[in-house]
Amino acid sequence: AQTVTQSQPEMSVQEAETVTLSCTYDTSESDYYLFWYKQPPSRQMILVIRQEAYKQQNATENRFSVNFQKAAKSFSLKISDSQLGDAAMYFCAWSGGFKTIFGAGTRLFVKA
Amino acid sequence: GAGVSQSPRYKVTKRGQDVTLRCDPISSHATLYWYQQALGQGPEFLTYFNYEAQPDKSGLPSDRFSAERPEGSISTLTIQRTEQRDSAMYRCASSPGGGGLTNEKLFFGSGTQLSVL
Repeated sequence: AQTVTQSQPEMSVQEAETVTLSCTYDTSESDYYLFWYKQPPSRQMILVIRQEAYKQQNATENRFSVNFQKAAKSFSLKISDSQLGDAAMYFCAWSGGFKTIFGAGTRLFVKA
Repeated sequence: GAGVSQSPRYKVTKRGQDVTLRCDPISSHATLYWYQQALGQGPEFLTYFNYEAQPDKSGLPSDRFSAERPEGSISTLTIQRTEQRDSAMYRCASSPGGGGLTNEKLFFGSGTQLSVL
């Protein structure tokens, strides 16, 4: 069975600084996708970034980028120039075989 | 509709009662998912539908949980004989493609917060 592990329950970053959230996963499948979702206090789920496993190039969306290490089954999220609005729960997710599996989440605090 | 709509937003019930939660996905979306999310945790997969078919219900925690999507659009999740451990946010999500394509973004509803007293 696939698993997604986020080992950092909480992280804190100073406004305008950079922070990296960790995620590892376990799967025997070769074709899959990885996602980072943001959940603000409103508890909406917002897609932040998506990575195809067959692509070596790391995905980037404005201030958000990933470090995808397929052999190590690692998928970390880097947030640059952190803003107060980035404060939220962040969920890493693995998607394959018609199922999306989420990690337990990392709560990010942004200090002014 | 324009987005995924879930009702009710909040549901408080007494232990032993049955509850039914409703999800109205984006109208063009073929695939619909149900997730259970405990406070401070990530969403846990319950089941999914491809149109009206339900190919995977492996995440349903017990036979007290069932879901339907009879016409391939609106779906309901029913919990019979509710227990306190069923208290959680129940989220519905949909995606455009049939077959639950793995590369697709999930569009989530706002969820139903269930409290079992």
